[in-house]
Amino acid sequence: EVQLVESGGGLVQPGGSLRLSCAASGFTFSSYAMSWVRQAPGKGLEWVSAISGSGGSTYYADSVKGRFTISRDNSKNTLYLQMNSLRAEDTAVYYCAKDGRSYGPGGYYYYYMDVWGKGTTVTVSS
Amino acid sequence: DIQMTQSPSSLSASVGDRVTITCRASQSISSYLNWYQQKPGKAPKLLIYAASSLQSGVPSRFSGSGSGTDFTLTISSLQPEDFATYYCQQSYSTPMYSFGQGTKLEIK
Repeated sequence: EVQLVESGGGLVQPGGSLRLSCAASGFTFSSYAMSWVRQAPGKGLEWVSAISGSGGSTYYADSVKGRFTISRDNSKNTLYLQMNSLRAEDTAVYYCAKDGRSYGPGGYYYYYMDVWGKGTTVTVSS
Repeated sequence: DIQMTQSPSSLSASVGDRVTITCRASQSISSYLNWYQQKPGKAPKLLIYAASSLQSGVPSRFSGSGSGTDFTLTISSLQPEDFATYYCQQSYSTPMYSFGQGTKLEIK
């Protein structure tokens, strides 16, 4: 069974740090890009960061650039998100998601997030 | 950055109704548009990718259409389990995705 399990969330003070982990199973982890998506309480989904299958390319939303670092350990089938200089507005449920792809109109590849974890909650408060 | 705008933000409907949700992109994204369903306290679930392709296991009452900047998600006959929040997502700039703000579908 394809599965993603996040961990590492918790309560942290403003300016603090936290590292989230996402353990993957049931698929060839190194073959797929992975993303972190967050959802603030009562709000919509916000894409946060992504990393290529090899780990050689990383991408960030402007709201976290310079503060968050995404990484992966393909030998451990694990995705990470190192979060520094945390702010109250970073309070959210953080989901990891696996990229999927399929052929679509015009014979091109189309990408989507086909597997999601249950999420881990990060609360930034004094 | 590509901005995604959904309408309406909320919608009340009854079981059996036909419902349409709209998503507009700030620039042309061809057919690089996905739809997700999210129920309270749960992770999002992929419904449709490439604007109109149904994800495996998703009921056929869900359909998607559109290309360029304007897209729709249609539920042909609402079932009780369909009351949820729906999000569109552009994958034109993958892996730098962006989501619409969501449409909450409530029971009338």
